[in-house]
Amino acid sequence: KAGVTQTPRYLIKTRGQQVTLSCSPISGHRSVSWYQQTPGQGLQFLFEYFSETQRNKGNFPGRFSGRQFSNSRSEMNVSTLELGDSALYLCASSLTDYNSPLHFGNGTRLTVT
Amino acid sequence: KNEVEQSPQNLTAQEGEFITINCSYSVGISALHWLQQHPGGGIVSLFMLSSGKKKHGRLIATINIQEKHSSLHITASHPRDSAVYICAVSNTGNQFYFGTGTSLTVIP
Repeated sequence: KAGVTQTPRYLIKTRGQQVTLSCSPISGHRSVSWYQQTPGQGLQFLFEYFSETQRNKGNFPGRFSGRQFSNSRSEMNVSTLELGDSALYLCASSLTDYNSPLHFGNGTRLTVT
Repeated sequence: KNEVEQSPQNLTAQEGEFITINCSYSVGISALHWLQQHPGGGIVSLFMLSSGKKKHGRLIATINIQEKHSSLHITASHPRDSAVYICAVSNTGNQFYFGTGTSLTVIP
């Protein structure tokens, strides 16, 4: 069974630009969640999607958004990039919700210059 | 104030030692997760538990709901156990909170 796939692995963007990251969950998993990891703040929850609906959202500004498609694949978008958005962005999938084991992708490392 | 506190922050052990990492949380939870992150970023879910104790190989995770505390034990530690171990909880409002992680180094 294929694992969680995140693309791209690395990304370099300039301040003010926008970026879209992609996450393909394990087949059959309907929940996809996104996380930001930085050296200063550690891991932080961004949002979670289930059956194309955002169920939960962390404490991030509206520049961070996402969506989920009917095949459970998910995208995350960050608009008007700031230097502080440089981070490792991880997604995880699970069968239903946080009461199911999480399976993480390898992440997308975003650098904003 | 952090909803999830881990200790210790850093831990160095000799190969073969018994290791304990602690996690305390302040919110009502529906589940607690222990995660392992190796250099390079990949995260692996080790355990998900809401009560009692779970064992997988040399790893044991326990949780005490009344005391809002969980422990991760590694028996007969090995250099390949060197990683960052992260405690995370999902609360009854379906929010997800992470501890700051414990960096473990096991020396041969």
